[in-house]
Formats: sequence, structure tokens, C-alpha cells
Amino acid sequence: QSALTQPASVSGSPGQSITISCTGTSSDVGGYNYVSWYQQHPGKAPKLMIYEVSNRPSGVSNRFSGSKSGNTASLTISGLQAEDEADYYCSSYTSSRYVFGTGTKVTVL
Amino acid sequence: QVQLVQSGSELKKPGASVKVSCKASGYTFTSYAMNWVRQAPGQGLEWMGWINTNTGNPTYAQGFTGRFVFSLDTSVSTAYLQISSLKAEDTAVYYCAREGYSGYVQYYFDYWGQGTLVTVSS
Repeated sequence: QSALTQPASVSGSPGQSITISCTGTSSDVGGYNYVSWYQQHPGKAPKLMIYEVSNRPSGVSNRFSGSKSGNTASLTISGLQAEDEADYYCSSYTSSRYVFGTGTKVTVL
Repeated sequence: QVQLVQSGSELKKPGASVKVSCKASGYTFTSYAMNWVRQAPGQGLEWMGWINTNTGNPTYAQGFTGRFVFSLDTSVSTAYLQISSLKAEDTAVYYCAREGYSGYVQYYFDYWGQGTLVTVSS
């Protein structure tokens, strides 16, 4: 199972919106509505930000939103803040259960 | 509150074995599957597999068969990851992660342990 493809880095200024893509195949992202997104700060464990494509867990800011079109899922961060600087990973259910994306480093300029 | 607390960092020599623990609290341990995720230094997340905490049945991802063993001790709500015949390339942070469940399996990881660094070096 190959990792889902994410851009290595995305950057934006405070207050701007950025979007991170996560591209897979019809066997993972495109085949199921089980895409989730995780935020990871340096030296910390990942934190669930979005599940089932577009649902936010309790306590996650509504500045984070998710969507999917075909084999590509996206995470959008609106009103970018300094604390959003972190690595972000997508994950999808697959026939072998799970696959993660390659990860995207978000930099707040 | 839900917590997953993992055992501390380990330094092992090549060829040795290591056992990482993940103690769960704040919920019914056997109601939620437990997954294991590896993160090599400076690298991304890699799903290693999962264990059914109700039956004890483990499932391993490709690349994690043979030297990797998932186990449970439900009496103390703890999951274990054992790695044998350690190699330098096993150096990584290993996370346990609870799989979501709300009457049906929800395919995401809602709680994570703090991670255990395993360093393999002679």
C-alpha cells in the first residue's frame, strides 16, 4: 500500500487561508468517506483534526475544514495563526485498513 | 478522561528485543481497537497494524510481519508491541492510537499515546 501524496510544504501569512491536498486512488481516498487529518507539533503526538472527510471533533477550531473530490481530499485552514505551524498528515481507510499521507509542513510566515 | 500512557524510551543493541507498553484509562479497554504507528526520525507516520482488544486477534501491515508482535493484557488495560531481532532501521518513535468507535467502527484515531522512542545502536 503506497502512502497518500501530500505536498511537502505549504506556507501562508497570518489571517490567510491555506489548503493541503491528499491524493490517493479509488482504493483508498476515492473509495471511502473515511479520510482523517492529524496535526503534529514537533516532539508531540499527532492530534485528530478532521474525521470522515469533513467532521470536526469537539474542541477543534472551526477554522479547520475538510473536503473530498474524487481521489483527492483537502484540509483547509482559514484565518491562519502562528499556532497552526505544524506537520499535517492525512489518512484513509483502505482494504488493508489504513494508509497515511506523506505529510505536509505548514509554515506561518 | 481518556488517556494512553506509553512506557519510556529504550536504547537497545542490534539483535536484542524490546517491548513497548500502552496503558489505557478512562474508557472500556475492550470496546476500542488499538493501533500501532511508527515514525522514524524526521519521517512521516506509518501504520503498523492493529489488534482487536475484544478477541486479541492482531493484524499486521505489510512490512511489519515476522519480527513485530502485538499483544494485550486486558486485566490491566494494556496493549504491547514487541519487536525482536532489532535493527538500526527500527529506530523510531512508536505510538499506540485508539480507533474510534460509536456503536460502529469509525476509521480514525481519536486518542494517541505520547510515543516511545526506541533507539537501536551498538
